Amino acid sequence: ETGVTQSPTHLIKTRGQQVTLRCSSQSGHNTVSWYQQALGQGPQFIFQYYREEENGRGNFPPRFSGLQFPNYSSELNVNALELDDSALYLCASREQGTETQYFGPGTRLLVL
Amino acid sequence: SQQGEEDPQALSIQEGENATMNCSYKTSINNLQWYRQNSGRGLVHLILIRSNEREKHSGRLRVTLDTSKKSSSLLITASRAADTASYFCATGNQGGSEKLVFGKGMKLTVNP
Repeated sequence: ETGVTQSPTHLIKTRGQQVTLRCSSQSGHNTVSWYQQALGQGPQFIFQYYREEENGRGNFPPRFSGLQFPNYSSELNVNALELDDSALYLCASREQGTETQYFGPGTRLLVL
Repeated sequence: SQQGEEDPQALSIQEGENATMNCSYKTSINNLQWYRQNSGRGLVHLILIRSNEREKHSGRLRVTLDTSKKSSSLLITASRAADTASYFCATGNQGGSEKLVFGKGMKLTVNP
């Protein structure tokens, strides 16, 4: 158990729709990162939030956006879903200044 | 983009044997971490080694790091069926970026 939870566990959407994925971090973990993991691949960094501000972003388009809240929860929003967005989405939290990231169980998104 | 490359991509061994996984990476790093993933779910942090360290142990795990060769290895001794999983190396880069860059992963099967 990492103390990081994600919801929902599975989700099916159609192309063009919008989706919101949620993550609840460990208490005191003020940094959260989101990763996308396509089937058979390693996770790819989407972005990172620290104290409710985005402070790092990977090679993902602006239709991927996020929010972080003071209660250690966060959201990943994806607009205008595309078929290639089908993947496992993982959030990871840590204390700022530490190196170990604690991952949630992920949300598996299928876009039809 | 992928940074690390695990080798071999798949390994099948008998219970009690040792398993060695190798990881190569391309750029300078601040640390290298190994993670385990069961059945496409969340990642479990196994061990972290910093760029100024050469070897680290944790229970049945031994990790080495050779920054001159930009490579790392993970040794699991006395393997168990429960060690069956996918294993990923991930690098934390220098320059303040705190994202993890993952390899494609390696599938380990431990046969009882």
